[in-house]
Amino acid sequence: QKEVEQDPGPLSVPEGAIVSLNCTYSNSAFQYFMWYRQYSRKGPELLMYTYSSGNKEDGRFTAQVDKSSKYISLFIRDSQPSDSATYLCAMRMDNQFYFGTGTSLTVIP
Amino acid sequence: ETGVTQSPTHLIKTRGQQVTLRCSSQSGHNTVSWYQQALGQGPQFIFQYYREEENGRGNFPPRFSGLQFPNYSSELNVNALELDDSALYLCASSSAGTGASGYTFGSGTRLTVV
Repeated sequence: QKEVEQDPGPLSVPEGAIVSLNCTYSNSAFQYFMWYRQYSRKGPELLMYTYSSGNKEDGRFTAQVDKSSKYISLFIRDSQPSDSATYLCAMRMDNQFYFGTGTSLTVIP
Repeated sequence: ETGVTQSPTHLIKTRGQQVTLRCSSQSGHNTVSWYQQALGQGPQFIFQYYREEENGRGNFPPRFSGLQFPNYSSELNVNALELDDSALYLCASSSAGTGASGYTFGSGTRLTVV
């Protein structure tokens, strides 16, 4: 069993839709929870991070962490074609990041 | 110069050869981490360097080695290349003790082993 599980998709939604991306994890020692966006041929770009259970909002993005269920989510409101990318969840423990496999998202105009 | 830069952007090597990938860390950052991202997978941690010493390593064999230089730039060396080493190699820099927001990834080097 991988330490971080993420549905690879692909996910295709119409412009303006609400997108929900999810990851589960097995290690309760993870300290930080992040979401990265990765465009083709680029490195991951940090979107959101948190270290506690609950919701964190930044513009159209909301990150949600439920430590009791070992489950994190990213919600994208009013999705735009420019949101089309691969979204990676990641968790940090000590010096190491543990990534999910990434979910490929396409927002159709 | 800001940001993390990696070189080369692409290269093709033959099985059994050796390769060196380079990373210049973001200004002010003293820690460098390397990750391997196979096609369709998330990045996997290879190792991290801080003050020219390795201070964390993932589940990679010894033929993956690295260096960090006094200016905090870094190299990843891979010996005896195998076909499965074909991947995007990512470098991330940070300052020691930084939280999750302080890591900056480069665009990566795409290595193809034939």
